[in-house]
Amino acid sequence: AQKVTQAQTEISVVEKEDVTLDCVYETRDTTYYLFWYKQPPSGELVFLIRRNSFDEQNEISGRYSWNFQKSTSSFNFTITASQVVDSAVYFCALSEPRILFSGGYNKLIFGAGTRLAVHP
Amino acid sequence: NAGVMQNPRHLVRRRGQEARLRCSPMKGHSHVYWYRQLPEEGLKFMVYLQKENIIDESGMPKERFSAEFPKEGPSILRIQQVVRGDSAAYFCASSPQKSRGSTDTQYFGPGTRLTVL
Repeated sequence: AQKVTQAQTEISVVEKEDVTLDCVYETRDTTYYLFWYKQPPSGELVFLIRRNSFDEQNEISGRYSWNFQKSTSSFNFTITASQVVDSAVYFCALSEPRILFSGGYNKLIFGAGTRLAVHP
Repeated sequence: NAGVMQNPRHLVRRRGQEARLRCSPMKGHSHVYWYRQLPEEGLKFMVYLQKENIIDESGMPKERFSAEFPKEGPSILRIQQVVRGDSAAYFCASSPQKSRGSTDTQYFGPGTRLTVL
């Protein structure tokens, strides 16, 4: 069965520290997508990144970087030089692509989330 | 470009009442998903709709819950005879129509926080 595990429930760091959020997934699909979303205290969900299963290149976007390793079924997220505004709950998600005659869609399976608190 | 819009943002209902949650997808998006987030948990898929069609409702409780996405107007998630266990944040997401076999990113609305007293 498809599953996403975010083992770290809460992480607390001091500003400017680097922090890595772990994500481990399980799937029987050979084609799948992985996502990270951020949920700040205001409650909305902000899309951060999407990665397909055939692309294992690491990605960097400003202070954010992602390490996708198929061999260990992990898709970890690192924030470099953390800031107070990074405080949020971060969700890793796995998609279950479904094929329809009319097109595709995907159901997202979310991990339980990691609450990151960055202190000044 | 307006994002996904949901209203109301907060909804309080007494046990036994009905709750109606609305979702307007992003412009150009024809796929709508509903997810539920219970307190301190991740989001759980409920239902996927295209215009006038429910495609996948495998995550929706069999009783009291229904969803629609009419040809005109927003998608509606309806919960009849609410109970305290329905208290949660309900998120709507939309994505554009894509070709067969492809998938795309879901963009989420701000959510509706339902509190059942």
